[in-house]
Amino acid sequence: DQQVKQNSPSLSVQEGRISILNCDYTNSMFDYFLWYKKYPAEGPTFLISISSIKDKNEDGRFTVFLNKSAKHLSLHIVPSQPGDSAVYFCAATSTARGADGLTFGKGTHLIIQP
Amino acid sequence: NAGVMQNPRHLVRRRGQEARLRCSPMKGHSHVYWYRQLPEEGLKFMVYLQKENIIDESGMPKERFSAEFPKEGPSILRIQQVVRGDSAAYFCASSRGSGGEKLFFGSGTQLSVL
Repeated sequence: DQQVKQNSPSLSVQEGRISILNCDYTNSMFDYFLWYKKYPAEGPTFLISISSIKDKNEDGRFTVFLNKSAKHLSLHIVPSQPGDSAVYFCAATSTARGADGLTFGKGTHLIIQP
Repeated sequence: NAGVMQNPRHLVRRRGQEARLRCSPMKGHSHVYWYRQLPEEGLKFMVYLQKENIIDESGMPKERFSAEFPKEGPSILRIQQVVRGDSAAYFCASSRGSGGEKLFFGSGTQLSVL
């Protein structure tokens, strides 16, 4: 039972263009969402997050959009740079439950083509 | 380096041996989480601990796996009588609080069972 789904295992984007990574969730209790970036042989690092009271959060080149009715979120990276090549994990949690870890998707491998 | 420290980075064990993975959380963090990443899979939650307490072990296999976070010293994930299927990357993360806190991850321990 996968509560957080990233349906694209990989995505290839040309340098300078926009990268859009998608994520769907099924648990309506989730109210806080995060994106993590992971390079090979390293641990995931936090990128950006969004609370369910918002529908957009922006930080530099990174913007996360949340569509609660569709239970869908997306991460936009613009412009894409070679250093953005990594695996991106979508994660979700329910703040009401308190003592919980994050539920992660399987990740999307983003490849930025020069 | 005040980040989450995991050791060893790589651990090789033969079937039937014990594996001990250590994790020191970030300074000031009292919440520790263990995740496992199997090849081609996302991060799967295993266990959530606070000092001397297991808060949520719903993701932990019922047999052979145990975790502790003693009052002094690092958190330990122990796998007894390892099997080939235990080969994976094990990541530890820590947070200051619980419920929606972003997690800070260590670099992981790659366990290989021969």
